[in-house]
Amino acid sequence: NAGVTQTPKFQVLKTGQSMTLQCAQDMNHEYMSWYRQDPGMGLRLIHYSVGAGITDQGEVPNGYNVSRSTTEDFPLRLLSAAPSQTSVYFCASSSRANEQFFGPGTRLTVL
Amino acid sequence: GQQVMQIPQYQHVQEGEDFTTYCNSSTTLSNIQWYKQRPGGHPVFLIQLVKSGEVKKQKRLTFQFGEAKKNSSLHITATQTTDVGTYFCAGSDNQGGKLIFGQGTELSVKP
Repeated sequence: NAGVTQTPKFQVLKTGQSMTLQCAQDMNHEYMSWYRQDPGMGLRLIHYSVGAGITDQGEVPNGYNVSRSTTEDFPLRLLSAAPSQTSVYFCASSSRANEQFFGPGTRLTVL
Repeated sequence: GQQVMQIPQYQHVQEGEDFTTYCNSSTTLSNIQWYKQRPGGHPVFLIQLVKSGEVKKQKRLTFQFGEAKKNSSLHITATQTTDVGTYFCAGSDNQGGKLIFGQGTELSVKP
């Protein structure tokens, strides 16, 4: 099993550009989440999903969209990137409310 | 909304000294989880506590869940250089898949 995979590992965007961060898991987990990590702020929940077709907002959802068309995939879309979205993004999956398995992260810089 | 506060933000210890990090939630939690993140890595699950007053041990690590299920602590006895990293608590106030992380405590250990 590959676990949780994220692509790309690094990305540089210009303000106003859009992009999609990819996340996939092969553990048949129902729950998937997106977090952003900034120095001194810990991990902040952006969006999460408890199953295919179901998504909900976390602590900091503004500027981000998600969809969950399959159990395996949970992409995160930045519609119009802003410098405030410079961060490290982690995707995680879990079986119900159990331990979360994290991907390796995507380091995003918005100029 | 649900908030999870964690202190201290940083802790510098001499190898062999003990270390404790504390976690407090604004709401009653259904469970609390602890994660460790090594520098440059992703968070890795350590343990989950579910019951009021629960205490669990993993070698030199002791985890506690408060009687009111609103606070928790992680204690490391006789730290080693391999303990270096950031320790996060994460709580859920229902079974809905939303896990809120504390800000983390960054531990450095001087040999």
